[in-house]
Amino acid sequence: ILNVEQSPQSLHVQEGDSTNFTCSFPSSNFYALHWYRWETAKSPEALFVMTLNGDEKKKGRISATLNTKEGYSYLYIKGSQPEDSATYLCASTKGGYQKVTFGIGTKLQVIP
Amino acid sequence: GAGVSQSPSNKVTEKGKDVELRCDPISGHTALYWYRQSLGQGLEFLIYFQGNSAPDKSGLPSDRFSAERTGGSVSTLTIQRTQQEDSAVYLCASSLVPGVRQETQYFGPGTRLLVL
Repeated sequence: ILNVEQSPQSLHVQEGDSTNFTCSFPSSNFYALHWYRWETAKSPEALFVMTLNGDEKKKGRISATLNTKEGYSYLYIKGSQPEDSATYLCASTKGGYQKVTFGIGTKLQVIP
Repeated sequence: GAGVSQSPSNKVTEKGKDVELRCDPISGHTALYWYRQSLGQGLEFLIYFQGNSAPDKSGLPSDRFSAERTGGSVSTLTIQRTQQEDSAVYLCASSLVPGVRQETQYFGPGTRLLVL
């Protein structure tokens, strides 16, 4: 993996359903992995930052896991709500170099 | 204010004109980034400033784009001879301290540029 890749690009789920999506990133010289939520007409907001293999972070109904050896992270949303509708971005930072590389994002729409 | 601010919030210009977009990062943040999002596209990295180091300009799409950061604080992104494909939301972000693993970027509200 040379770049940060996210899948799926878009997702529609019913209110109350749980869902998850994937971020793949270069595992060599890994530094940190970030998840951001970007709601329409707003600025991206940080959800999680993870640095250690096996890290798990949780904020309310949203959680994330990290596998630095194989270069992937999962974001989980339990019991999706309409207000969860947004684009979820992941970003990777490589060691010793502060530029952050973003994926294209997963656009989630929760249908009431 | 406590957050990243950008101005103008919206800009409509004619093809061929020059535009300047401004970003005021959070006070004390040493890193500053410019991104853009074109319609239907993801977040595209443009340029990165870190302290007094030479900026990383690898994301600038053409030589019509330039940016500067004065005094390690305010940054201006300049687009010369604008083209219709320059229409996008231009986002600025800043982050606190380099070398810290938990480096979160804080984004401004963006400037929506429309080139007619």
